[in-house]
Formats: sequence, structure tokens, C-alpha cells
Amino acid sequence: AQTVTQSQPEMSVQEAETVTLSCTYDTSESNYYLFWYKQPPSRQMILVIRQEAYKQQNATENRFSVNFQKAAKSFSLKISDSQLGDTAMYFCAFMKHGSGTYKYIFGTGTRLKVLA
Amino acid sequence: DVKVTQSSRYLVKRTGEKVFLECVQDMDHENMFWYRQDPGLGLRLIYFSYDVKMKEKGDIPEGYSVSREKKERFSLILESASTNQTSMYLCASSFPPRWDKTDTQYFGPGTRLTVL
Repeated sequence: AQTVTQSQPEMSVQEAETVTLSCTYDTSESNYYLFWYKQPPSRQMILVIRQEAYKQQNATENRFSVNFQKAAKSFSLKISDSQLGDTAMYFCAFMKHGSGTYKYIFGTGTRLKVLA
Repeated sequence: DVKVTQSSRYLVKRTGEKVFLECVQDMDHENMFWYRQDPGLGLRLIYFSYDVKMKEKGDIPEGYSVSREKKERFSLILESASTNQTSMYLCASSFPPRWDKTDTQYFGPGTRLTVL
């Protein structure tokens, strides 16, 4: 069975600094998708970044980038130039699909606080 | 803009009551999902549906049922609410992964259910 582990329950970072959130996963599949989602306080969960496992190039979205290490089953999120609006709960997620069925597995989340 | 709406933000029910949580999306997504979110446990999939009248159990379906009579609407039903079902319930929708459509999940604002 697939599992997703986020080993940092809480983190903090100074505004404008860089922070890395870690995520490891366990699967025997070779084709899958990985996601980072952000859930701001009292607001809806939104997608931050997405990575397809067959792509070797690390995904980037503006200040957000990932370090995808397929052999190590690691998928960390780097936030550069942290802003107060980045304060949120961040969830790492794994998805495998096939024959009409979808398996989404989420980690337990990392609560990030950006300090002014 | 994709919109996923949930019928209530906050709900208080009594043990043994039948509870309906409704979710509506306006993006013609085939897939719809119900999760529950608990501190320290992340998001856990209760049920998902990949088409009208189609459903599959997620990781924690016990005590829940679902209904999808129309493409845009996915209902979660607690047949006889219990105190251990007190939680935040999140609905999400997405396209299935294919070359011309992103499979990003879009989440609703959540319903915080308290069962007394």
C-alpha cells in the first residue's frame, strides 16, 4: 500500500527567506503523480505544484519548486522569498490511476508560519 | 474560475441523526471526492465517484454512503451520525488524467460537522 510521510508537523521561516518542506512516499508503482497542496487558515485548499513521475525535470511555479528524487522516493517543496501569505498548512499527495479508479494518498501536513 | 461549493460551512447534529452533506461543482468534472480531515491524520478519502451513479469506496467508507445522480452534484450521507464522525469534510472534483485536461483536484471550502 502506498504511504505518504511528512515528517515536519510545524515549521517557521522569516519573511523573504527560503524554506524546504519534506515529503517521502512509498510505492511499488512506476507511473504516478505527486502534488503539493496549500490550505491557508480558514480558506480553501489549492494546488501549489504538480509533478508527473515519468518526468525527470523538477516542476517549478514562480517561487515554488520541487526536488523530486524518484529513486529515493522523495518530493520536497522549496519556497523561495517567503511571503506572509504563504502561511498555511501544506499537504503532500500521491496519486495513481488506472482503469477508472483513482488512488489519492495525502500526508499528514506541515503547518508553515512565515514570520514578519 | 472553477467553483466547488458545499452546502454548509458549519453543521451541528445529534447522535443518530441522518446527515446530508452536499457538494456542487460547475466545471463539468467527471471525478468527485469526499475526504475527511482530522488533525494529525491529514486527509483521508471516504468515497469517490468517476461518473454519474458510479462510486468507489475510499480508505474509510464505514458509516458513510454517497449519491451521485447528476454530474455536478455529489452527496455524502451519514446514515446514523456518531460522535466519532465529528470532523472537517472536504469535497473535491477533477477531470481524469488525460492529455488535454489537467487532473488537478479543486476543493470546496469544507463543512465542519460536530456530532453531539
